[in-house]
Amino acid sequence: EVQLVESGGGLVQPGGSLRLSCAASGFTFSSYEMNWVRQAPGKGLEWVSYISSSGSTIYYADSVKGRFTISRDNAKNSLYLQMNSLRAEDTAVYYCARGPATGGFDYWGQGTLVTVSS
Amino acid sequence: SYVLTQPPSVSVAPGKTARITCGGNNIGSKSVHWYQQKPGQAPVLVIYYDSDRPSGIPERFSGSNSGNTATLTISRVEAGDEADYYCQVWDSSSDLVFGGGTKLTVL
Repeated sequence: EVQLVESGGGLVQPGGSLRLSCAASGFTFSSYEMNWVRQAPGKGLEWVSYISSSGSTIYYADSVKGRFTISRDNAKNSLYLQMNSLRAEDTAVYYCARGPATGGFDYWGQGTLVTVSS
Repeated sequence: SYVLTQPPSVSVAPGKTARITCGGNNIGSKSVHWYQQKPGQAPVLVIYYDSDRPSGIPERFSGSNSGNTATLTISRVEAGDEADYYCQVWDSSSDLVFGGGTKLTVL
């Protein structure tokens, strides 16, 4: 069974940093492209970042470019999102999702809540 | 930047057909994917590459895409179909874009 489990969310002050993790199981993680998608409270979905299966190709939404860094460790079956210079508008549930940038995301984690507030 | 426009809400009676649109400039030239999201849950892929259904998704869900509009069609709507629905595309200039979402209400 495919599982994606996010962790690392929490309350952080504006300007602070947080590192999210996504633990993958039930499939060959190293063969799949991965993404981070977020959803602010009561709002719609917003794509955040994409990483290819090898990690050689990375894309970011303009809203997080220069502040967030996506990475993966295929040996540990894990996806990461390093978030720096956090702002109030980054408050959201963050989901990791499996799939190509140009295709549909067929599996999602349950999400982890990030709250940026003083 | 590329914009996807969805109606905020669609209402339909049980057993009838719901159509949820996703508008975008020449969207017919792009691949469109659709997600269903119920309250407190992660999104679920219901249609990919315009009209393909993932395994486990009922045949009542179908998709089409032409011109400036993509459409998710749900036939014989059930109470359990009540959810938010989002369309998604990849645009070379805007990267990955989601529509604003449509709340489907089953009357």
